Amino acid sequence: SQKIEQNSEALNIQEGKTATLTCNYTNYSPAYLQWYRQDPGRGPVFLLLIRENEKEKRKERLKVTFDTTLKQSLFHITASQPADSATYLCAFRPTSGTYKYIFGTGTRLKVLA
Amino acid sequence: EPEVTQTPSHQVTQMGQEVILRCVPISNHLYFYWYRQILGQKVEFLVSFYNNEISEKSEIFDDQFSVERPDGSNFTLKIRSTKLEDSAMYFCASILGAGTAFSYEQYFGPGTRLTVT
Repeated sequence: SQKIEQNSEALNIQEGKTATLTCNYTNYSPAYLQWYRQDPGRGPVFLLLIRENEKEKRKERLKVTFDTTLKQSLFHITASQPADSATYLCAFRPTSGTYKYIFGTGTRLKVLA
Repeated sequence: EPEVTQTPSHQVTQMGQEVILRCVPISNHLYFYWYRQILGQKVEFLVSFYNNEISEKSEIFDDQFSVERPDGSNFTLKIRSTKLEDSAMYFCASILGAGTAFSYEQYFGPGTRLTVT
């Protein structure tokens, strides 16, 4: 069956360090991969989108990579700040023929001051 | 900046009652979605809606659920006879759905917390 897996355990890092979050998928051929931020009790907020033919995408302190061979995406936050503390979700459109999005369970990041 | 709005923010209802959750998507967007998130769990796709009809739905979206776009702005989710397990956050989202890949980013509303007692 199709699966998206993110580290279910919380990730604690020191302020200023780089946070790296992982998203693995099986039995998908995703056309687009997206990362979202979700704060408690709030809706997800779009951060970055990367296409299957792109290796890397950057936006300010954020970087996303997409390895279709490993079936994995990595999400990096450089120079992390306490305000980056949130749950980060990855999401896929399983194929280009659908507008349905599948979400991972999310990884909770806590940046310690 | 345009945003998706949802009402009410919190709805408490008794089991077996009907509820209608309301959303106003971003005005020039073409695709609309409902998702739910049970406390502590992942965001789950319920249904997508395009051109005034359902384009896809999940196995969760059974006959108890329906969606409607009664006018040019509102998008509603109706649950006909609520069950305890329907208690969750319900999020509406919209995408532009045309043009470049960047138009496929989803804009989510703040959610409606549904509590079924």
